[in-house]
Amino acid sequence: GENVEQHPSTLSVQEGDSAVIKCTYSDSASNYFPWYKQELGKRPQLIIDIRSNVGEKKDQRIAVTLNKTAKHFSLHITETQPEDSAVYFCAASGSPNTGGFKTIFGAGTRLFVKA
Amino acid sequence: DGGITQSPKYLFRKEGQNVTLSCEQNLNHDAMYWYRQDPGQGLRLIYYSQIVNDFQKGDIAEGYSVSREKKESFPLTVTSAQKNPTAFYLCASTLGGTRTGELFFGEGSRLTVL
Repeated sequence: GENVEQHPSTLSVQEGDSAVIKCTYSDSASNYFPWYKQELGKRPQLIIDIRSNVGEKKDQRIAVTLNKTAKHFSLHITETQPEDSAVYFCAASGSPNTGGFKTIFGAGTRLFVKA
Repeated sequence: DGGITQSPKYLFRKEGQNVTLSCEQNLNHDAMYWYRQDPGQGLRLIYYSQIVNDFQKGDIAEGYSVSREKKESFPLTVTSAQKNPTAFYLCASTLGGTRTGELFFGEGSRLTVL
């Protein structure tokens, strides 16, 4: 079935450094790839997304890249700050193979930013 | 305020009992979802519904049931057939239409089986 693999499961960086989280999806017909941030005890919230007709998207310190051929997408956070510490989830959806709205998440990456 | 409301926030259940988690949204979204989150793990899809009176099984539907009689409501029943129901349950919705978009999540319901 559909699957999204996410790496690493834990990432620790020094404040000011960059952080990169990578995901691979199995359904080549997926066309929407969001990233969610979940702070401790809170609900996941969208931080950035990308559609399959775009290779890269940037929003201030956050960027996402998509390689459709490799079925791979990545989240890049530059100039990390302690408030970036959270769990980050990638997801894939939009595949006509599953009716378009089935959204599958990766297992999550726990990011620690050390001050 | 527009949003998704889940209730109850905390729920305790004895083994063998069914329990229903409520999810209501006033965002006029067509699609709704239920996810299960276990400690240190990702979000696993239980059921989703793209339109009223229709729903599909996700990856871990066994032991759960849902209904979608109204656009704004998508309750989840955790039945006694679910062998390990203790978890954090998240409901979400998205606008729907011709393409997928951002999921909006409720605050979650934490179920503990005693």
